[in-house]
Amino acid sequence: DVKVTQSSRYLVKRTGEKVFLECVQDMDHENMFWYRQDPGLGLRLIYFSYDVKMKEKGDIPEGYSVSREKKERFSLILESASTNQTSMYLCATSSGGDYTGELFFGEGSRLTVL
Amino acid sequence: GQSLEQPSEVTAVEGAIVQINCTYQTSGFYGLSWYQQHDGGAPTFLSYNGLDGLEETGRFSSFLSRSDSYGYLLLQELQMKDSASYFCADLVGNNRLAFGKGNQVVVIP
Repeated sequence: DVKVTQSSRYLVKRTGEKVFLECVQDMDHENMFWYRQDPGLGLRLIYFSYDVKMKEKGDIPEGYSVSREKKERFSLILESASTNQTSMYLCATSSGGDYTGELFFGEGSRLTVL
Repeated sequence: GQSLEQPSEVTAVEGAIVQINCTYQTSGFYGLSWYQQHDGGAPTFLSYNGLDGLEETGRFSSFLSRSDSYGYLLLQELQMKDSASYFCADLVGNNRLAFGKGNQVVVIP
Protein backbone atom coordinates (compact mmCIF):
# COMPACT_ATOMS: atom_id res chain seq x y z
CA ASP A 1 0.00 0.00 0.00
CA VAL A 2 1.08 3.56 -0.68
CA LYS A 3 1.93 5.39 2.46
CA VAL A 4 1.99 9.17 2.47
CA THR A 5 3.11 10.61 5.77
CA GLN A 6 2.76 14.22 6.79
CA SER A 7 5.04 15.34 9.58
CA SER A 8 2.49 17.00 11.84
CA ARG A 9 -1.27 16.51 12.24
CA TYR A 10 -1.75 19.74 14.17
CA LEU A 11 0.36 22.88 14.36
CA VAL A 12 -0.18 26.25 15.99
CA LYS A 13 2.05 29.09 14.84
CA ARG A 14 2.19 32.82 15.28
CA THR A 15 1.87 35.42 12.56
CA GLY A 16 5.22 36.00 10.88
CA GLU A 17 6.74 32.65 11.81
CA LYS A 18 8.32 30.44 9.18
CA VAL A 19 6.49 27.14 8.88
CA PHE A 20 7.64 23.88 7.33
CA LEU A 21 5.19 21.14 6.42
CA GLU A 22 6.83 17.92 5.33
CA CYS A 23 5.49 15.05 3.31
CA VAL A 24 7.20 11.72 2.75
CA GLN A 25 6.03 8.88 0.51
CA ASP A 26 7.33 5.34 0.29
CA MET A 27 6.09 4.21 -3.13
CA ASP A 28 8.63 5.80 -5.46
CA HIS A 29 6.00 8.06 -7.01
CA GLU A 30 7.21 10.78 -9.33
CA ASN A 31 4.41 13.25 -8.72
CA MET A 32 3.75 15.08 -5.48
CA PHE A 33 1.19 17.77 -4.71
CA TRP A 34 0.26 20.18 -1.96
CA TYR A 35 -3.39 21.19 -1.55
CA ARG A 36 -5.15 23.25 1.04
CA GLN A 37 -8.71 22.52 2.06
CA ASP A 38 -11.10 25.09 3.46
CA PRO A 39 -14.82 24.68 4.23
CA GLY A 40 -16.96 25.43 1.21
CA LEU A 41 -13.95 25.82 -1.08
CA GLY A 42 -12.92 22.23 -1.69
CA LEU A 43 -9.28 21.38 -2.30
CA ARG A 44 -7.11 23.97 -3.99
CA LEU A 45 -3.73 23.20 -5.51
CA ILE A 46 -0.81 25.21 -4.11
CA TYR A 47 2.27 23.65 -5.76
CA PHE A 48 3.22 20.40 -7.40
CA SER A 49 6.32 18.58 -8.54
CA TYR A 50 6.86 15.96 -11.21
CA ASP A 51 10.50 15.28 -10.39
CA VAL A 52 13.30 16.00 -7.96
CA LYS A 53 14.26 19.69 -7.84
CA MET A 54 11.32 20.49 -10.08
CA LYS A 55 8.33 22.55 -8.96
CA GLU A 56 5.39 24.22 -10.59
CA LYS A 57 2.86 26.69 -9.26
CA GLY A 58 -0.68 25.55 -8.77
CA ASP A 59 -3.74 27.74 -8.49
CA ILE A 60 -2.91 29.54 -5.23
CA PRO A 61 0.90 29.68 -4.78
CA GLU A 62 1.10 33.16 -3.23
CA GLY A 63 2.67 33.09 0.22
CA TYR A 64 4.05 29.57 -0.23
CA SER A 65 7.16 27.90 -1.57
CA VAL A 66 8.20 24.27 -1.88
CA SER A 67 11.29 22.13 -1.89
CA ARG A 68 11.91 18.72 -3.39
CA GLU A 69 15.51 17.66 -2.83
CA LYS A 70 14.73 13.95 -2.75
CA LYS A 71 12.16 11.98 -4.68
CA GLU A 72 10.33 10.80 -1.59
CA ARG A 73 10.09 14.14 0.20
CA PHE A 74 8.12 17.27 -0.69
CA SER A 75 8.11 20.20 1.71
CA LEU A 76 5.73 23.14 1.83
CA ILE A 77 7.13 26.35 3.28
CA LEU A 78 5.28 29.36 4.59
CA GLU A 79 7.98 32.03 4.73
CA SER A 80 5.95 34.33 6.97
CA ALA A 81 2.72 32.78 8.20
CA SER A 82 -0.44 34.85 8.15
CA THR A 83 -3.84 34.22 9.69
CA ASN A 84 -5.41 33.62 6.26
CA GLN A 85 -3.14 30.59 5.92
CA THR A 86 -4.97 28.85 8.72
CA SER A 87 -6.19 25.74 6.94
CA MET A 88 -5.93 22.00 6.44
CA TYR A 89 -2.96 21.13 4.23
CA LEU A 90 -3.01 17.90 2.27
CA CYS A 91 -0.10 16.25 0.52
CA ALA A 92 -0.78 13.82 -2.31
CA THR A 93 1.24 11.61 -4.63
CA SER A 94 0.77 9.68 -7.86
CA SER A 95 2.90 7.68 -10.25
CA GLY A 96 4.23 9.55 -13.26
CA GLY A 97 2.71 9.57 -16.72
CA ASP A 98 -0.20 7.53 -15.51
CA TYR A 99 -3.47 9.16 -16.42
CA THR A 100 -5.68 7.36 -13.97
CA GLY A 101 -6.92 10.34 -12.00
CA GLU A 102 -5.84 8.64 -8.76
CA LEU A 103 -4.02 10.51 -6.04
CA PHE A 104 -2.92 9.08 -2.71
CA PHE A 105 -3.35 11.53 0.13
CA GLY A 106 -1.70 11.93 3.49
CA GLU A 107 -3.81 12.42 6.62
CA GLY A 108 -3.40 16.18 6.50
CA SER A 109 -1.80 18.86 8.63
CA ARG A 110 -4.14 21.29 10.32
CA LEU A 111 -2.37 24.61 10.73
CA THR A 112 -3.65 27.41 12.93
CA VAL A 113 -1.94 30.79 12.66
CA LEU A 114 -2.60 33.15 15.56
CA GLY B 1 -9.84 28.79 -15.54
CA GLN B 2 -11.62 25.77 -14.13
CA SER B 3 -14.94 25.56 -12.43
CA LEU B 4 -16.41 22.41 -11.02
CA GLU B 5 -19.94 22.92 -9.83
CA GLN B 6 -21.47 20.59 -7.28
CA PRO B 7 -24.54 21.01 -5.08
CA SER B 8 -23.78 21.23 -1.39
CA GLU B 9 -25.65 18.67 0.71
CA VAL B 10 -27.90 15.67 0.34
CA THR B 11 -29.70 13.70 3.05
CA ALA B 12 -31.00 10.20 2.28
CA VAL B 13 -32.12 7.09 4.15
CA GLU B 14 -30.27 3.80 4.28
CA GLY B 15 -30.88 1.70 1.20
CA ALA B 16 -31.71 4.69 -0.98
CA ILE B 17 -29.94 5.88 -4.14
CA VAL B 18 -28.20 9.22 -4.37
CA GLN B 19 -26.85 10.91 -7.49
CA ILE B 20 -24.21 13.62 -7.17
CA ASN B 21 -23.79 15.76 -10.24
CA CYS B 22 -20.75 17.62 -11.46
CA THR B 23 -20.40 20.06 -14.32
CA TYR B 24 -17.04 21.30 -15.44
CA GLN B 25 -15.69 24.05 -17.66
CA THR B 26 -12.10 23.44 -18.41
CA SER B 27 -9.55 23.25 -21.16
CA GLY B 28 -7.11 20.40 -21.51
CA PHE B 29 -9.61 18.01 -19.97
CA TYR B 30 -8.61 14.34 -19.79
CA GLY B 31 -11.18 12.83 -17.48
CA LEU B 32 -13.17 13.06 -14.27
CA SER B 33 -12.30 11.51 -10.91
CA TRP B 34 -14.37 11.06 -7.79
CA TYR B 35 -13.15 11.07 -4.21
CA GLN B 36 -14.73 10.29 -0.85
CA GLN B 37 -13.72 12.02 2.37
CA HIS B 38 -14.99 11.14 5.81
CA ASP B 39 -14.91 13.77 8.53
CA GLY B 40 -11.36 14.15 9.78
CA GLY B 41 -9.99 11.78 7.17
CA ALA B 42 -8.02 12.00 3.96
CA PRO B 43 -9.72 11.98 0.56
CA THR B 44 -9.75 8.52 -0.98
CA PHE B 45 -10.08 7.68 -4.64
CA LEU B 46 -13.35 6.13 -5.82
CA SER B 47 -13.34 6.13 -9.62
CA TYR B 48 -12.12 7.71 -12.83
CA ASN B 49 -13.87 8.23 -16.16
CA GLY B 50 -11.53 8.85 -19.07
CA LEU B 51 -14.12 7.95 -21.65
CA ASP B 52 -17.81 8.71 -22.00
CA GLY B 53 -20.12 6.25 -20.34
CA LEU B 54 -20.70 4.45 -17.09
CA GLU B 55 -18.07 2.89 -14.84
CA GLU B 56 -19.34 0.59 -12.13
CA THR B 57 -17.48 -0.35 -8.95
CA GLY B 58 -19.68 -2.26 -6.57
CA ARG B 59 -22.41 -0.05 -5.16
CA PHE B 60 -20.90 3.06 -6.73
CA SER B 61 -21.05 4.05 -10.39
CA SER B 62 -19.69 7.07 -12.19
CA PHE B 63 -20.73 8.55 -15.52
CA LEU B 64 -19.16 11.01 -17.93
CA SER B 65 -20.53 12.91 -20.91
CA ARG B 66 -17.85 15.02 -22.59
CA SER B 67 -20.32 16.62 -24.97
CA ASP B 68 -22.31 17.95 -22.02
CA SER B 69 -19.25 18.66 -19.79
CA TYR B 70 -21.11 16.70 -17.16
CA GLY B 71 -20.62 13.72 -14.92
CA TYR B 72 -22.26 12.11 -11.94
CA LEU B 73 -21.55 9.69 -9.13
CA LEU B 74 -24.31 7.26 -8.25
CA LEU B 75 -24.38 5.78 -4.76
CA GLN B 76 -26.70 2.77 -4.50
CA GLU B 77 -27.95 0.79 -1.50
CA LEU B 78 -26.77 3.55 0.78
CA GLN B 79 -25.16 2.52 4.05
CA MET B 80 -24.43 4.60 7.14
CA LYS B 81 -20.72 4.41 6.34
CA ASP B 82 -21.38 6.27 3.09
CA SER B 83 -21.97 9.46 5.08
CA ALA B 84 -19.10 11.57 3.82
CA SER B 85 -18.17 14.37 1.45
CA TYR B 86 -17.79 13.53 -2.22
CA PHE B 87 -15.64 15.51 -4.61
CA CYS B 88 -15.39 15.48 -8.36
CA ALA B 89 -12.04 16.46 -9.83
CA ASP B 90 -11.08 16.99 -13.43
CA LEU B 91 -7.78 15.68 -14.68
CA VAL B 92 -5.84 18.24 -16.69
CA GLY B 93 -2.55 16.41 -17.19
CA ASN B 94 -0.20 13.98 -15.46
CA ASN B 95 -2.58 13.46 -12.57
CA ARG B 96 -2.92 17.15 -11.85
CA LEU B 97 -6.46 17.38 -10.52
CA ALA B 98 -8.71 20.38 -10.02
CA PHE B 99 -11.33 19.63 -7.36
CA GLY B 100 -14.90 20.78 -7.04
CA LYS B 101 -16.23 22.22 -3.79
CA GLY B 102 -17.66 18.91 -2.68
CA ASN B 103 -21.03 17.51 -1.76
CA GLN B 104 -21.87 16.24 1.70
CA VAL B 105 -24.03 13.11 1.87
CA VAL B 106 -25.77 12.37 5.15
CA VAL B 107 -27.29 8.90 5.50
CA ILE B 108 -30.00 8.48 8.11
CA PRO B 109 -31.53 5.26 9.45
